[in-house]
Amino acid sequence: EAGVTQSPTHLIKTRGQQATLRCSPISGHTSVYWYQQALGLGLQFLLWYDEGEERNRGNFPPRFSGRQFPNYSSELNVNALELEDSALYLCASRVRQTSGNTIYFGEGSWLTVV
Amino acid sequence: AQSVTQLDSHVSVSEGTPVLLRCNYSSSYSPSLFWYVQHPNKGLQLLLKYTSAATLVKGINGFEAEFKKSETSFHLTKPSAHMSDAAEYFCVVSSGNTPLVFGKGTRLSVIA
Repeated sequence: EAGVTQSPTHLIKTRGQQATLRCSPISGHTSVYWYQQALGLGLQFLLWYDEGEERNRGNFPPRFSGRQFPNYSSELNVNALELEDSALYLCASRVRQTSGNTIYFGEGSWLTVV
Repeated sequence: AQSVTQLDSHVSVSEGTPVLLRCNYSSSYSPSLFWYVQHPNKGLQLLLKYTSAATLVKGINGFEAEFKKSETSFHLTKPSAHMSDAAEYFCVVSSGNTPLVFGKGTRLSVIA
């Protein structure tokens, strides 16, 4: 069974541009989470989608947005890129938002803003 | 509100010696607790999880953790470290209808 897949693996953008990152959850998983892992800042929760709806978002500006498609895949959009957006963006999926259900992570997308 | 505190940012052990990575949590509800491992330039892999069953949880690669409610702790241990255990370890709490909350991570170094 395929795990959580993310694309692209690496992305280089210049300041002010937009970046789009994509995530395909494990088959049968309806919840998708996005986390940012910036150097020295640990894992910060960005967004949570379930059944196509945004359920929660972390403490990030509105230029971070996303959506979940009918097939439960998701994309994360970052507008007006800033240098500090350079980070590893991790996508994760879960069968259902139940506290004991495990969240499975993809390998991540490295975004570099120059 | 939930929070996780990993008490050590960096732990260094010799190969073959025990590993102890410490984690304290705070949660308003009965929590589920997880340990994830991240090898360099990789995603996160689940090591083990606690979900209100047995308080001693066994995971992959010889790791285990004990849930102690009275101490609000969920420390990760392994009897004998291998070089391949060198990685970043994250303690995570989940409860209610909220996303996972991660600790800041503990970097484990294993010395030959």
